[in-house]
Amino acid sequence: GAGVSQTPSNKVTEKGKYVELRCDPISGHTALYWYRQSLGQGPEFLIYFQGTGAADDSGLPNDRFFAVRPEGSVSTLKIQRTERGDSAVYLCASSLRLAVNEQFFGPGTRLTVL
Amino acid sequence: QKEVEQNSGPLSVPEGAIASLNCTYSDRGSQSFFWYRQYSGKSPELIMSIYSNGDQEDGRFTAQLNKASQYVSLLIRDSQPSDSATYLCAVNIREYGNKLVFGAGTILRVKS
Repeated sequence: GAGVSQTPSNKVTEKGKYVELRCDPISGHTALYWYRQSLGQGPEFLIYFQGTGAADDSGLPNDRFFAVRPEGSVSTLKIQRTERGDSAVYLCASSLRLAVNEQFFGPGTRLTVL
Repeated sequence: QKEVEQNSGPLSVPEGAIASLNCTYSDRGSQSFFWYRQYSGKSPELIMSIYSNGDQEDGRFTAQLNKASQYVSLLIRDSQPSDSATYLCAVNIREYGNKLVFGAGTILRVKS
């Protein structure tokens, strides 16, 4: 079956602009995770959802970052007033359910803030 | 101290040799351990999961867990040039819920 998909694959924006990054998890996976990865580092947790609700948003760096998953499937990560330091690869992962924590990653969105 | 530590490498091994990748973690509450492979410019790919002390084998890959020493390793037998990648160790710490905490990764280079 299809894996996790993310769009766009690349996003270039200017400082101060608003961006939305989309994630479509593996069909049937109830848990969805967002991570951010900078060059030479491992992925860093941002937020995860079980169903429609954010179960843990402790990794969001500040209130410019927000994520939703209104119907329990597709999720959108929203970044307001982007800053150059937001440049990174944003990774989405899904797992079958919280109790089975094998997380499968999508291809990522490379965000560049000029 | 970082929660999950890995030697950044690069670790260079000849083709056909055993590559040994190591990872230590700081939290004794850690309960699930994962190895991901990441090719340059690609996203992490799950290759091994281990949940209890001992060895877990899958093909050429063996994950080893020692909770007393807070140590998890990945052995790759008969290393191939296609194994050249960054290997990320990830740990699920019970008190942190379901998020994974990643090490920075070890670069593996298999020379033919």
